[in-house]
Amino acid sequence: DIVMTQSPDSLAVSLGETATINCKSSQSVLYSSNNRNYLSWYQQRPGQPPKLLIYWASARESGVPDRFSGSGSGTDFTLTISSLQAEDVAVYYCQPYYSSLGTFGQGTKVEIK
Amino acid sequence: QVQLQESGPGLVKPSETLSLICTVSGGSISSYYWSWIRQPPGKGLEWIGCIYYTGTTNYNPSLKSRVTISVDTSRNQFSLKLASVTAADTAVYYCARFGSNKGTFDFWGQGTMVTVSS
Repeated sequence: DIVMTQSPDSLAVSLGETATINCKSSQSVLYSSNNRNYLSWYQQRPGQPPKLLIYWASARESGVPDRFSGSGSGTDFTLTISSLQAEDVAVYYCQPYYSSLGTFGQGTKVEIK
Repeated sequence: QVQLQESGPGLVKPSETLSLICTVSGGSISSYYWSWIRQPPGKGLEWIGCIYYTGTTNYNPSLKSRVTISVDTSRNQFSLKLASVTAADTAVYYCARFGSNKGTFDFWGQGTMVTVSS
């Protein structure tokens, strides 16, 4: 089974600054058949269900602000939140899809400094 | 817009069976995978299992011996049964749609808190 490791576990960023979250997979999530990385990112605000932000490692879900961006390939991925806003306070999770479902990263808590 | 709504008892006694239903509206339950995911208080997300509309299931190995997921396409619902529950099963339980094209859980219910206690 794939194991996802996120870093850091938490970070505090000043409003307007950039937050960077990393996610490392124990195996590649790159599908050679279509050259897509099946890695998604979710945002979970307090008391809310997770919300899909990014899929295919870098494709932004409809309606997601462009300050959210994803990058990476193979086993190493990054979620970047540019110009952090107060409403971005949340826990962020990465999730791979490779041959089967079943794994989320442990989550990264983003707070305002 | 697809919407999912979980329903079921909020309190279950130890050793009994937890039963939840997810009702899908705004779209057909056909042609997608449908999942249950849980989140213990203050902790991360744990995938429980999923079912395709045809009835094919896939479960988390750590829970497989206790989990049953079924689907009722006529009612646009799918359900979760978790047997022999303990306090460790106390969590918010979410139902979600999984789209294999994107490899994502793209629609989620609001979640329902289930407490295991006598």
